[in-house]
Amino acid sequence: DAEITQSPRHKITETGRQVTLACHQTWNHNNMFWYRQDLGHGLRLIHYSYGVQDTNKGEVSDGYSVSRSNTEDLPLTLESAASSQTSVYFCASSQGQATNEKLFFGSGTQLSVL
Amino acid sequence: AQSVTQLGSHVSVSEGALVLLRCNYSSSVPPYLFWYVQYPNQGLQLLLKYTSAATLVKGINGFEAEFKKSETSFHLTKPSAHMSDAAEYFCAVSESNQGGKLIFGQGTELSVKP
Repeated sequence: DAEITQSPRHKITETGRQVTLACHQTWNHNNMFWYRQDLGHGLRLIHYSYGVQDTNKGEVSDGYSVSRSNTEDLPLTLESAASSQTSVYFCASSQGQATNEKLFFGSGTQLSVL
Repeated sequence: AQSVTQLGSHVSVSEGALVLLRCNYSSSVPPYLFWYVQYPNQGLQLLLKYTSAATLVKGINGFEAEFKKSETSFHLTKPSAHMSDAAEYFCAVSESNQGGKLIFGQGTELSVKP
């Protein structure tokens, strides 16, 4: 069955280190998204991509970057991790550009920055 | 700018009782609205979505939501709660012409008492 997987499930890192979170989908979806989930804020969009070589900033993109070299993967990099980036990170994908597209979510990565 | 407000961060009901989770939106264009559910340690799953075809939308697991333009609301209901409904519920609105980009509410945690 097609799926979207995130790795690692849990990560502890230190302030200032570079961290990369992986997202891999086998749906062959064009669109991929990274959200962070924080108590009281729901989910907020970090970066998104509508296809290979396409990347766009979301609402809370400062300190994060993404690259899209193939359809299946959208890794999220924290250039220099900060304690404010402690959060649960969700990757999601969808197929088309319609406004009512359903998102398929991964199971999340719990990141702690100490 | 579009936004979503969920009233009540925690809702507790008894098993068999009515579930009502409130969502109000702000949008300058006809909105596309969604309800997602998140079970513990999992990603989000789509419950239902409003796409202007009908104001009363039926979703999975017996949930439904009614779009009321005059009240700018999209409340989620279920006639009879089950223990398995305990989860966090998110209302979301899709940004106009931006397929898959969602703005989420803060979330409502539903507890079901036996």
